[in-house]
Amino acid sequence: RKEVEQDPGPFNVPEGATVAFNCTYSNSASQSFFWYRQDCRKEPKLLMSVYSSGNEDGRFTAQLNRASQYISLLIRDSKLSDSATYLCVVIDSNYQLIWGAGTKLIIKP
Amino acid sequence: DAGVTQSPTHLIKTRGQQVTLRCSPISGHKSVSWYQQVLGQGPQFIFQYYEKEERGRGNFPDRFSARQFPNYSSELNVNALLLGDSALYLCASSSTGGTSLFYEQFFGPGTRLTVL
Repeated sequence: RKEVEQDPGPFNVPEGATVAFNCTYSNSASQSFFWYRQDCRKEPKLLMSVYSSGNEDGRFTAQLNRASQYISLLIRDSKLSDSATYLCVVIDSNYQLIWGAGTKLIIKP
Repeated sequence: DAGVTQSPTHLIKTRGQQVTLRCSPISGHKSVSWYQQVLGQGPQFIFQYYEKEERGRGNFPDRFSARQFPNYSSELNVNALLLGDSALYLCASSSTGGTSLFYEQFFGPGTRLTVL
């Protein structure tokens, strides 16, 4: 089992819709969690951190479920510019970043 | 302020050759991490350096080595290149040394290495 797993997609979603995807992690001692966005052939960029209490940034909401060991990302009112690959990142107990393979999102007009 | 810079942007090598990739972190950042990203996968951690010392090493063979200079720039060296080393090599800098549970890494544009 991979340490961090994501559905590779692609998720094909019409513009304006709401989309959500999850990321599961295997190490219960994992400490911190992030969502990064990566555009095609570009470097990853931090989208948002994931706090235990959940957090929201505009149209984006991130949640952490420690009991079930997953984090989620919800995108409301999706825009064409949201098309990208979304990477889940977990910091383990050795302070190393473990990356998921990413979920590809395609927003269609 | 300039972001993380990497050179070269693209590189083509043949099997068995050696390659050196370079990275300059954001000014004031003392930590540099190297990642390998194969198409369709997430970045795989190779090394982290902080204050010129190795702080972490991923599961890569000894053909991979790195160092950090007094100005905090870094080099990644790969010897005896294999076809499977073809990938995007990303450098990321951060202000903390990897002993913080909450720190953002800023990535450079990467070096795309093709091994023929």
